[in-house]
This record gives sequence, C-alpha cells and structure tokens, in this order.
Amino acid sequence: GDSVTQMEGPVTLSEEAFLTINCTYTATGYPSLFWYVQYPGEGLQLLLKATKADDKGSNKGFEATYRKETTSFHLEKGSVQVSDSAVYFCALAGANNLFFGTGTRLTVIP
Amino acid sequence: NAGVTQTPKFRILKIGQSMTLQCTQDMNHNYMYWYRQDPGMGLKLIYYSVGAGITDKGEVPNGYNVSRSTTEDFPLRLELAAPSQTSVYFCASSSLAGGYEQYFGPGTRLTVT
Repeated sequence: GDSVTQMEGPVTLSEEAFLTINCTYTATGYPSLFWYVQYPGEGLQLLLKATKADDKGSNKGFEATYRKETTSFHLEKGSVQVSDSAVYFCALAGANNLFFGTGTRLTVIP
Repeated sequence: NAGVTQTPKFRILKIGQSMTLQCTQDMNHNYMYWYRQDPGMGLKLIYYSVGAGITDKGEVPNGYNVSRSTTEDFPLRLELAAPSQTSVYFCASSSLAGGYEQYFGPGTRLTVT
C-alpha cells in the first residue's frame, strides 16, 4: 500500500546552516505530496505541496521537488533560523486521507 | 476565523471510562478526519467523514466511534478507555479529498491510567 518513509531525527543545526530532511514514498500512480510542520503545542499546518512529478513546492524559504525517478520529496532550506525549530512531516495523498511519515524534529540553536 | 477547534485540550481518564472529543470546523468543509499521534510515530487515521451522515473507518478504528450529524461537527467517542488509547488526537478538515490541504485543530492530549 501507499506509504512514506521519512528521515529519522532528531536533527540539531546551528542558525544559518543548510537543512535537508529526506522523504521517500511508495505509491500507485503519482499522488500529491506534502510537507507539514508542527510547532510546539500546536496542530499541523501545511508548509508546502507538489501535485505532480517535477513540481517544486516552496514556502518560507523551504523547498521540495517531486522526483518520480527516485520516488523522493526531500525538504531543503538554505539557511535555517531558530524559529524553524519544529517537527516536520512528509505526507502522501491517498484517496480519502493523508499518509504521514514519522516526523523529524528539528532544533536550531543560535 | 476559528478554523478547526477541539475540546478539551487535555484530559485524564481512568481505565473503562468513556468520553467524547469534540471537533468543530467553520470552513464549510465536507471532509473531516480524526488522527492519533503517538510519540515517535506519524499520524494514524482513526475515522473520516465525506459529509454529514457518512463516516468510514481509517487505519486504527478499534475502540472508537464517530458520528457526523452536521457539516460542522465530528465528535469522536471512546467507550471503554484503555491505556493503549493514551495519545494526542487531532481533528482535521478539507474541502475535498486527495491532493487538497487538510486544516488541523490544536489537538487533545489524552492520558488513560
């Protein structure tokens, strides 16, 4: 069945470092892919999405490219800030719901 | 604009007790979902609804029940609480299924002892 495999955490980076969080998927066809972010004590909120192969989603300096050749949707940011500290979830659209990865906790230190 | 609201924020239950987690959305979304989030795990779908009067099981429905009498409300019922139901519960909604954004509530942290 459809599933998402996400890079295990936690990840600790210094401010202004480069971020990559890996995400690969298994699916029939080419479903939409998402990155959600969860800040402490809050619900999940959409960070970015891509609806078809080779699409690039971007928001708040984060980017991810839908690559069907490698079945991947890695999240990147060129220069992280302390305010980016959160848990990041990769997700894949099913027929009626989302399939989530296990989440990666990012901590950015000044 | 409230979005998706959930009550209560926190709750402690004794084994065998029952309770209802409330969820309301004000975006006129047809689709609503209940997920649970366990430590170190992703979110698992418990139940979902495609519209008032229509519900269906997700990945982990055992021990839960739902109803959808209105577009706005989607309560989750735990009948006989068990320690395995200790988790954080999130309600979400979306205008359509598939590739459409889901909007999440702030969650309910439930502990069963």
